[in-house]
This record gives sequence, C-alpha cells and structure tokens, in this order.
Amino acid sequence: DTGVSQNPRHKITKRGQNVTFRCDPISEHNRLYWYRQTLGQGPEFLTYFQNEAQLEKSRLLSDRFSAERPKGSFSTLEIQRTEQGDSAMYLCASSLGDLRPGQGAVGREKLFFGSGTQLSVL
Amino acid sequence: QQPVQSPQAVILREGEDAVINCSSSKALYSVHWYRQKHGEAPVFLMILLKGGEQKGHEKISASFNEKKQQSSLYLTASQLSYSGTYFCGTETQGGSEKLVFGKGTKLTVNP
Repeated sequence: DTGVSQNPRHKITKRGQNVTFRCDPISEHNRLYWYRQTLGQGPEFLTYFQNEAQLEKSRLLSDRFSAERPKGSFSTLEIQRTEQGDSAMYLCASSLGDLRPGQGAVGREKLFFGSGTQLSVL
Repeated sequence: QQPVQSPQAVILREGEDAVINCSSSKALYSVHWYRQKHGEAPVFLMILLKGGEQKGHEKISASFNEKKQQSSLYLTASQLSYSGTYFCGTETQGGSEKLVFGKGTKLTVNP
C-alpha cells in the first residue's frame, strides 16, 4: 500500500492559463474522487469515478473543469482558463467501493486521501 | 445538503474531553469522520452506518442517532496528538454516492 499520490504538490499559474493535476490511487481501488478545499472549509465534492466511468460531476462545477480516468487507473483533473477563484487545495481520494453501485455504496468504504495539489492563480 | 458541525472550534487541555456534533437535514446512510492536521491530507477515523451503532477508535468513539440524523464524536482524555480539524462526511439517502463534508471543527489540545 503506497498510498494515494498527487502531482504536483504545488502549482502557481497566471490567470487564463490551463493546468492539469494527476492522481494515482491505491492500485486495487476502483473508486476515485476529486475534492476541492479552501482555507477553513471542508472538502467540496467535484467529481468521482468508478473504474473508468465518471459517474457524477458537481452541478456547481464550471465547464472549465474536466476530469478523466483512462483505463480506470490514474486520473487527471484539468482546469482551463484559470481564474483567481480557482485557487485552492485539490484533493484526490480513492476507495475500494462496492462493485454494485447504489445508494449506500460509498458509506461502507473509507476514503484514502492524497496530500493534494495546492493551486495558486495569480 | 452540507452537514452542520458544531462547535466550530474547541480548545482543551491535555486529558480533557470533547464532543463534536454533526447534523444533517436529510436522512443518512452513513457518517464518516476524518481528522486533518495542518498541511496534511484528511485521515480516516471511523464510519457509522444507519442503525445507531457506536464505534470506537482508541479513546475516540462516535455514535449515530438515526432519528435525529445526527452523529457525535467523543474524544476522551485528549492527547496533544488529537489536535487538528475534524470533518464529518455524510452520504444521504436518496442522494448520489458521494460524501459531503461539513466545514470542520478545529480542535486544539494544549499541554
């Protein structure tokens, strides 16, 4: 168990630039989540995957955000045309989710979080 | 849909007890508790499933009151290492399969 790995740890970019973050989950975990956290707040849900399928994306999330998980392994989160309001810690988490998704499926499985990518948009 | 945590902050002396509450306006399948230290990732503490069970993790335990849709985290005989921000995450019935986290409770344990 090597844990959830996120790269880069820090990213500084200028407004309007595109950025991409990578998350490598624990190898046998089929579920992968992206959360965003700002100072003094709890993690805010962005999107999640079961294997390679993106099952939900937050309705509050701008179309500038897109995520992929090709082959159900690592995942990337891309933000296009970054804005200062995008500055935050982006957290990835993985879990060994129920293979039969349904309500209550996530409740039985603990999430393992990565250390996050701190994004600063100047 | 975001659960409400209280209090927002707690300051204790080593050895004292604390209770952190997490309430939802929606019926819940489960409540998760995580602790996050400054600059680190949230770390899992425990899961409570509907049914009112109580779980324990060393001197940290929690309960889930299904009627009130409320969970409480109990920290007894606090240690310096308990300092951090505690988050509850909830999965609601009739909702999608994700955890929604509260804003957190910052716990500071002083010597």
